[in-house]
Formats: sequence, C-alpha cells, structure tokens
Amino acid sequence: GNSVTQMEGPVTLSEEAFLTINCTYTATGYPSLFWYVQYPGEGLQLLLKATKADDKGSNKGFEATYRKETTSFHLEKGSVQVSDSAVYFCALGGRNNRLAFGKGNQVVVIP
Amino acid sequence: DVKVTQSSRYLVKRTGEKVFLECVQDMDHENMFWYRQDPGLGLRLIYFSYDVKMKEKGDIPEGYSVSREKKERFSLILESASTNQTSMYLCATREWGRAGTDTQYFGPGTRLTVL
Repeated sequence: GNSVTQMEGPVTLSEEAFLTINCTYTATGYPSLFWYVQYPGEGLQLLLKATKADDKGSNKGFEATYRKETTSFHLEKGSVQVSDSAVYFCALGGRNNRLAFGKGNQVVVIP
Repeated sequence: DVKVTQSSRYLVKRTGEKVFLECVQDMDHENMFWYRQDPGLGLRLIYFSYDVKMKEKGDIPEGYSVSREKKERFSLILESASTNQTSMYLCATREWGRAGTDTQYFGPGTRLTVL
C-alpha cells in the first residue's frame, strides 16, 4: 500500500541555516504529495503540495519537488528563522481520499 | 477561509467513561476525517466519512465509533475510554474537485487524557 518515510529524529539548526527534510514514498499510480506543518499547540496546516511529477510546490520560502524517478519529495528552505520551529509532516494522497502521513520531524531553530 | 472547530482543546476523562469528540466545519465539504497523533507514530486515521451517514474504517478503528448526521458535524465516540486512548485527536475536512484542488484542512486538536 501507499506509505511515506521521513528521516529519523529531530532537526536542530541555527537561524539562517539551510534546512532539508527528506521524504520518500511508495505508491501505486500518481498520487499528490503534500507537506504539512504543525506549530506548537495547533493543528496541521498545509504548507505546500505537488500534484504530478516534476511539479515544484512552494510557500513561505519552503520548496519541494515531486521526483518520480527517486520517489522523493524533500522539503528545503534556504534560510530558516526561529518562527519556522515546528513539526513537519510529509503526506501522500491515496485511494478513498485518504492521506498517508510520515511520522513527522521536529525542527528547532536556535537564534 | 475554511474553519474547522473541535469542541474541546483539552479533555480529561476516567477509564470506562463514554467520550464524545465533536468536529464542525463551515465549508460544506463532503469528506471528514478523524486522526489520532502520538509521538513517534505520526498521524493515524481512525475513521472517515465521505457524506452524511456514510463512514468507513481507517487504520485503527478499534475502540471507536463515529456519527455523521449532518454534513457539517462529525463526531468521534469512545464507547468505553481506556488509558491507551490518551492522545491528541485531530479532525480534518477535505476540499477537492476544482482542477488541482485536493487539500485537507485540520482543526486545532483535542488533547484527551484518560485516567
């Protein structure tokens, strides 16, 4: 079935550093791919998405490209801020309207 | 803006109690979802509903039931709460149809503690 794998463990980095969070997927067909963000004490918010191969989703300085050849959708930001501290979830749209979520990555940005 | 509200942000219940978690959306979306979120496990789908009175089990339905009597409201029911149901519960709705539109919108979550 459809599944998403995110890199293990929290990510701690300094302000203005470059952020990468890896996401790979297993799926049949051509699913949509998503990144959601969860700020402390809140629900999830859609950060960006891509609906077909080679699409690039972008929002708030974050980017991710739908790579069918490597089955990946890695999230990147060139210069993080303290306000980017949150949990980030990669997700894959599948059958019956379901989303398959990765386990999430806690990102902590230190001033 | 899509608004998804959940009846409580924090809830404390005792083992064996019947618990109702309510979710209301204001965008006339047909699809609604209940997830639980646990550290190290991410989000897991409990149940979803694709229309009024229609429901389907998710990945972890045991110990839960749901009710969708009106389009805007989707309730999660714990028939007899147990300590292993202590978790964060998230409700979501799905917008889809227009070209390229397929997005889930989440409520703020209910943190349930079962003692």
